[in-house]
Amino acid sequence: QVQLQESGPGLVKPSQTLSLTCTVSGGSVTSGPYYWSWIRQPAGKGLEWIGRISTSGGSMYNASLRSRVTVYIDTSKNQFSLNLSSVTATDTAVYYCARRSGLLSAFDVWGQGTMVTVSS
Amino acid sequence: QSALTQPVSVSGSPGQSITISCTGTSSDVGGYNYVSWYQQYPGKAPKLIIYDVSKRPSGVSIRFSGSKSGDTASLTISGLQVEDEAGYYCSSYTSISTWVFGGGTKLTVL
Repeated sequence: QVQLQESGPGLVKPSQTLSLTCTVSGGSVTSGPYYWSWIRQPAGKGLEWIGRISTSGGSMYNASLRSRVTVYIDTSKNQFSLNLSSVTATDTAVYYCARRSGLLSAFDVWGQGTMVTVSS
Repeated sequence: QSALTQPVSVSGSPGQSITISCTGTSSDVGGYNYVSWYQQYPGKAPKLIIYDVSKRPSGVSIRFSGSKSGDTASLTISGLQVEDEAGYYCSSYTSISTWVFGGGTKLTVL
């Protein structure tokens, strides 16, 4: 059974780049077709889809974040990662990694989430 | 892409049925049968309970059902149980190949 685990700094300074990694266990990040996404949730608020990368390496991003976001796969480590540049306090949130199977139009596997605070 | 619209809160008594709505546009909910619903307990990751508008993943109770009419999707929970008290989020595929979520609905079981 596939499991996802987020990792990365819990505190990032304003204007810096937020970098998170999602480690895939119980399966390969290149098997599929799967689409690997990042989703975030500010405290007490709703979910926001950030972007995704496919097993073939194609990416798509939320239009409101596109200029600051990169999602990429590291096949050697069986991981996929998120870079979000020029962060501000509004980027403070719990960040989740999630999988969408090509057979489902939904996110069927989620990581536990990691809290990231943007503060000096 | 604007968030889908959900009621902030709904409530019901054990044994009753409740329905949570999720309103979008013809560019998302109304344009595709790719609406999903998630259940989230405080401090936990969301869990998929409905996909493709009305399909249930293996292991999800038959008390959860989904439907869609036009630009509005709905989640119905029948035979409410105390453990159903949680947050519920809808999501839809969009015309620009992205995904959008609703603002979330807090279900209180009185």
